[in-house]
Amino acid sequence: GAVVSQHPSRVICKSGTSVKIECRSLDFQATTMFWYRQFPKKSLMLMATSNEGSKATYEQGVEKDKFLINHASLTLSTLTVTSAHPEDSSFYICSAPKGGYGYTFGSGTRLTVV
Amino acid sequence: AQKITQTQPGMFVQEKEAVTLDCTYDTSDQSYGLFWYKQPSSGEMIFLIYQGSYDEQNATEGRYSLNFQKARKSANLVISASQLGDSAMYFCAMRDGNNNAGNMLTFGGGTRLMVKP
Repeated sequence: GAVVSQHPSRVICKSGTSVKIECRSLDFQATTMFWYRQFPKKSLMLMATSNEGSKATYEQGVEKDKFLINHASLTLSTLTVTSAHPEDSSFYICSAPKGGYGYTFGSGTRLTVV
Repeated sequence: AQKITQTQPGMFVQEKEAVTLDCTYDTSDQSYGLFWYKQPSSGEMIFLIYQGSYDEQNATEGRYSLNFQKARKSANLVISASQLGDSAMYFCAMRDGNNNAGNMLTFGGGTRLMVKP
């Protein structure tokens, strides 16, 4: 139980375009979703925390206008990378709390901006 | 502020041997949770084991055990009887507070484990 489905798994887009990444909680209600970014061979860095029905909280140094996060329902949180540039190429992964102490992760999205 | 340190960027282990992956943490909270995750090349995060700060016994899950030394603030992962499929990145992570409500995970830098046949 407590599965988060993340789509797309891979996406290639052109510079200047926007890309939307979706994370859906399939069998539970995710009131909170954490969004992480991971560069190759590096660790996961928290970008932002989204809570259903309220504005996301961004970590220091993360551009709110570039990484738009929406959590409009208890089963869907989205990350939109706007006006993407090659330096935005990365692995993005979402995570939701589950079971009182643990976390469930999406399968991740590998974004390549060309 | 939290900090998680994994001092071994890469490690080799012979198949069927045991291996210890190091993790030290720093927090001013009394309540916290420690996690280990495995990340294969596919990118998925696979939960391995959890230790709560008030748990007196070291956590064990099959071939995985967590050597929790609270005074030293260390939470090393021990993998017994390594298998080729254990080759992956391993991340130590910490959550402040005694539950996950609104509390994110902070990750260490990771250790790449390579199992030799």
